[in-house]
Amino acid sequence: GNSVTQMEGPVTLSEEAFLTINCTYTATGYPSLFWYVQYPGEGLQLLLKATKADDKGSNKGFEATYRKETTSFHLEKGSVQVSDSAVYFCALNRGGADGLTFGKGTHLIIQP
Amino acid sequence: SQTIHQWPATLVQPVGSPLSLECTVEGTSNPNLYWYRQAAGRGLQLLFYSVGIGQISSEVPQNLSASRPQDRQFILSSKKLLLSDSGFYLCAWGPPSSYNSPLHFGNGTRLTVT
Repeated sequence: GNSVTQMEGPVTLSEEAFLTINCTYTATGYPSLFWYVQYPGEGLQLLLKATKADDKGSNKGFEATYRKETTSFHLEKGSVQVSDSAVYFCALNRGGADGLTFGKGTHLIIQP
Repeated sequence: SQTIHQWPATLVQPVGSPLSLECTVEGTSNPNLYWYRQAAGRGLQLLFYSVGIGQISSEVPQNLSASRPQDRQFILSSKKLLLSDSGFYLCAWGPPSSYNSPLHFGNGTRLTVT
């Protein structure tokens, strides 16, 4: 079946550090891939997406590249801020009406 | 533009009481609608989804039910709440042709069963 695996954390970094959150997936066919961010007490917000191999999604300084050869979609940011503290979810869409398959989420804590 | 509304934001209910959470979507027609639950471990569990009025698919057998009385309205219900029903409930919508599309989430309902 389809699955998404990501580090659960918490991941603790200092402000201005480089961020990588790993995400790997298992899926049949060619899924679309997404990163969502959830701030405390809120719903999930779409951060970025990629729909085919080698696509790079980017938003708010975050980037992720769809790597079909390694079935990965790692999230990166060059310089994190305290306001980036949140839970980040990697997800895939294989096209069924039953929605997205999510990873378990990575709790990111940025210290000033 | 499309918006999704979910209410109430927080709810405290005693064990054995009924539940009704409502979700509505504006600015789109015939959306796919979803109810997710997020327990303390942060993972998301798909509870129900719907591709049209009156069409409900259940992913996990449980104490909850869902209904879609109108095209853009999705309701999560329970006749008698259990302690284990506590959690953060999220409604989401996606377009009918969903292959490349993300889901769009509401702000969630924090349910505490006491």
